[in-house]
Amino acid sequence: DAGVTQSPTHLIKTRGQQVTLRCSPISGHKSVSWYQQVLGQGPQFIFQYYEKEERGRGNFPDRFSARQFPNYSSELNVNALLLGDSALYLCASGRGQSSYGYTFGSGTRLTVV
Amino acid sequence: QKEVEQDPGPLSVPEGAIVSLNCTYSNSAFQYFMWYRQYSRKGPELLMYTYSSGNKEDGRFTAQVDKSSKYISLFIRDSQPSDSATYLCAMSSNAGGTSYGKLTFGQGTILTVHP
Repeated sequence: DAGVTQSPTHLIKTRGQQVTLRCSPISGHKSVSWYQQVLGQGPQFIFQYYEKEERGRGNFPDRFSARQFPNYSSELNVNALLLGDSALYLCASGRGQSSYGYTFGSGTRLTVV
Repeated sequence: QKEVEQDPGPLSVPEGAIVSLNCTYSNSAFQYFMWYRQYSRKGPELLMYTYSSGNKEDGRFTAQVDKSSKYISLFIRDSQPSDSATYLCAMSSNAGGTSYGKLTFGQGTILTVHP
């Protein structure tokens, strides 16, 4: 079975631009969560979506938004990029709303220049 | 003060050594405790999951949770070079509201096991 798939793997953006990151969960998983991992730090929770509704939100500015589609895939959007948004963005999927048992993808490495 | 504190190391041990990794936390609502392993350029991989206090063993790995002290540990026996990775502790309360589904991670400990 395919794991959690994230695209693109890497990308470079300029300050002020907008970016969209994509995630396909494991088949049968209805929950998708997004995390930001800055180099040398642990992942920080951004959003959780379950059954296409936002169920959890971390302490991130409104420049960050996400959505989940009927096939349970998800997109994370970041507007007005800042240098500090450079990080590894991780997507995790799970069967239910609970946070244990998540499976993480390999992430998208975003560099803002 | 961070909700979860983890010594970033780095930690370097010889093959076969027993490794002890630790995290402390401040949020009494945490009920679920996890350890993840993260190899370079990869996402975190769940190693161990424990609910509330107690011990759990899986092969060479043992996870301990002491809620009274707000302290969790991961022990790796007979460490192997393939265990070289970053180890992340993570916790969750599932308290509802905006925190539902949220994992709070430690900073991660970089472990190197040399032959």
